[in-house]
Amino acid sequence: DTGVSQDPRHKITKRGQNVTFRCDPISEHNRLYWYRQTLGQGPEFLTYFQNEAQLEKSRLLSDRFSAERPKGSFSTLEIQRTEQGDSAMYLCASSWGFRNSPLHFGNGTRLTVT
Amino acid sequence: KNEVEQSPQNLTAQEGEFITINCSYSVGISALHWLQQHPGGGIVSLFMLSSGKKKHGRLIATINIQEKHSSLHITASHPRDSAVYICAVRMVRGETSGSRLTFGEGTQLTVNP
Repeated sequence: DTGVSQDPRHKITKRGQNVTFRCDPISEHNRLYWYRQTLGQGPEFLTYFQNEAQLEKSRLLSDRFSAERPKGSFSTLEIQRTEQGDSAMYLCASSWGFRNSPLHFGNGTRLTVT
Repeated sequence: KNEVEQSPQNLTAQEGEFITINCSYSVGISALHWLQQHPGGGIVSLFMLSSGKKKHGRLIATINIQEKHSSLHITASHPRDSAVYICAVRMVRGETSGSRLTFGEGTQLTVNP
């Protein structure tokens, strides 16, 4: 078990471009979460999957953001027409689906929009 | 007002000092997490509490549900403890637990040798 892995670690893109991030959770975990963290702030919830179903989305997730988890394993987070305000660390976490099970975080993808 | 508030925001200590970081929350919760984040972003879960006290090595976490307050203590602090410590809660929504965590803004701890 290599833990939660995220790819890429860093992404620099120009404003207006589309970007896609990938998260591979711990293999037996059925819950997967995406969070966004800006400098000096705690993470903010974006969205949550149980298996392949996207069960909750934050109001922070504008229509430029979309997330998928097609086979209930890895997940992708796509941002279309990136804006400078999208620059942040995007964190993925996974957990097993029983109540209050601990979260395991990946190392994050740092996005810089120029 | 944030639903989860931490204090202090920044803390500098000398090696060996006893450290306390506080977390207050304003909502009903089913669990509270203490997390450690090192430069570069990786987050490690330290504790998950729903009542009482937990201890792991030099780290102790306590929670008072009635007062909606938790503390993280570090005994005999060491420079390698330097990191951001984040409190996060899983809110109770209706009769079921919320599916996600709400985070505090974190406490930047620096332990000098």
